[in-house]
Amino acid sequence: GNSVTQMEGPVTLSEEAFLTINCTYTATGYPSLFWYVQYPGEGLQLLLKATKADDKGSNKGFEATYRKETTSFHLEKGSVQVSDSAVYFCALTIIKAAGNKLTFGGGTRVLVKP
Amino acid sequence: GAVVSQHPSRVICKSGTSVKIECRSLDFQATTMFWYRQFPKKSLMLMATSNEGSKATYEQGVEKDKFLINHASLTLSTLTVTSAHPEDSSFYICSANKGTGYTFGSGTRLTVV
Repeated sequence: GNSVTQMEGPVTLSEEAFLTINCTYTATGYPSLFWYVQYPGEGLQLLLKATKADDKGSNKGFEATYRKETTSFHLEKGSVQVSDSAVYFCALTIIKAAGNKLTFGGGTRVLVKP
Repeated sequence: GAVVSQHPSRVICKSGTSVKIECRSLDFQATTMFWYRQFPKKSLMLMATSNEGSKATYEQGVEKDKFLINHASLTLSTLTVTSAHPEDSSFYICSANKGTGYTFGSGTRLTVV
């Protein structure tokens, strides 16, 4: 089956620090990979995605590169802000038909302190 | 962009009563919607896939009779938590795929007292 493993949090950082959240996956088939962000009390928002090997997704200063050889999709940001405090979820889906399911990692809580 | 509206955002109900949560796709038609449950500080657990015009597909371990899903139109899916108990208290999130990606509702926090 499909699974996503990401580093457990919480991750506590100071403002302007470098953030990395590791994510690895196993999949039966060729997955598309996603990072979602959940701010307190809200639903999930798509942060970035990549659909094939070596693709780099980027948004709001965050980046992640689809590494097929290491089955990884690590999230990085060079200089975090307090507003980046949230829970981050790595996820995958196998595009085959309508009704594809997303498989989520366990989520990583990030707390950025001023 | 694709918008999914979920209502209510918060609900408190008494033990033994039923609660209905609505999920609407506002600017697109969704033949399939997904219902997730999120426990505190935990990841999202897929409960079921809601299929327009047919029965929902439930994940293993999810009680069909307790979590009733209806997808009567291409823009609306509802989740009804029947005979709610305190252990049903959780954050419920719906999602739909427009084809360009998944869009999530803002979630419903259910508290059963």
